[in-house]
Amino acid sequence: GEDVEQSLFLSVREGDSSVINCTYTDSSSTYLYWYKQEPGAGLQLLTYIFSNMDMKQDQRLTVLLNKKDKHLSLRIADTQTGDSAIYFCAESNQGGKLIFGQGTELSVKP
Amino acid sequence: KAGVTQTPRYLIKTRGQQVTLSCSPISGHRSVSWYQQTPGQGLQFLFEYFSETQRNKGNFPGRFSGRQFSNSRSEMNVSTLELGDSALYLCASSQEKGRGYGYTFGSGTRLTVV
Repeated sequence: GEDVEQSLFLSVREGDSSVINCTYTDSSSTYLYWYKQEPGAGLQLLTYIFSNMDMKQDQRLTVLLNKKDKHLSLRIADTQTGDSAIYFCAESNQGGKLIFGQGTELSVKP
Repeated sequence: KAGVTQTPRYLIKTRGQQVTLSCSPISGHRSVSWYQQTPGQGLQFLFEYFSETQRNKGNFPGRFSGRQFSNSRSEMNVSTLELGDSALYLCASSQEKGRGYGYTFGSGTRLTVV
């Protein structure tokens, strides 16, 4: 079956690195994504990784994929108060349907 | 370029009524998907349309339906509203059929059923 799991909360200090973890079950996943949702807003695509990649870096964001363990992580370097939001991990297969995790609420304290 | 536009932003309906939500995709995008977001169930896939055809459907009752027009705009309809239909309904558009990496989401329609 298709399932994506994330821890619900993460609290960090401004300037520290944040690491948000996610596990998924569908071995046929072709793309894995990280979305950000701020209060009252829709979902903003932060980054994605194709299933044959191990790592992707985009400015302050680093995505690591361990396909064997079906584990995905998002590292945010030099976390700022503006990074406070809910972060969703999601997977899709050839069908294109996105399966989302429950979301991780990131709180950044000054 | 303009993003994905969903209208209305907020809606209050009474149990038993029906509602229609609208989504205008990014110009040139032919695929439109709909998702329901609730505190209890999280984000759940409703359906996806491409070139006016429904490609994929989630596990929702038949009260939930949708359609896509020739200009790629999409509507979703919920009939006989129940209290549990209160949610944020999100629409996403993409250029490619079934290519999830390109999905851009709108800000959503907040539906409250009383």
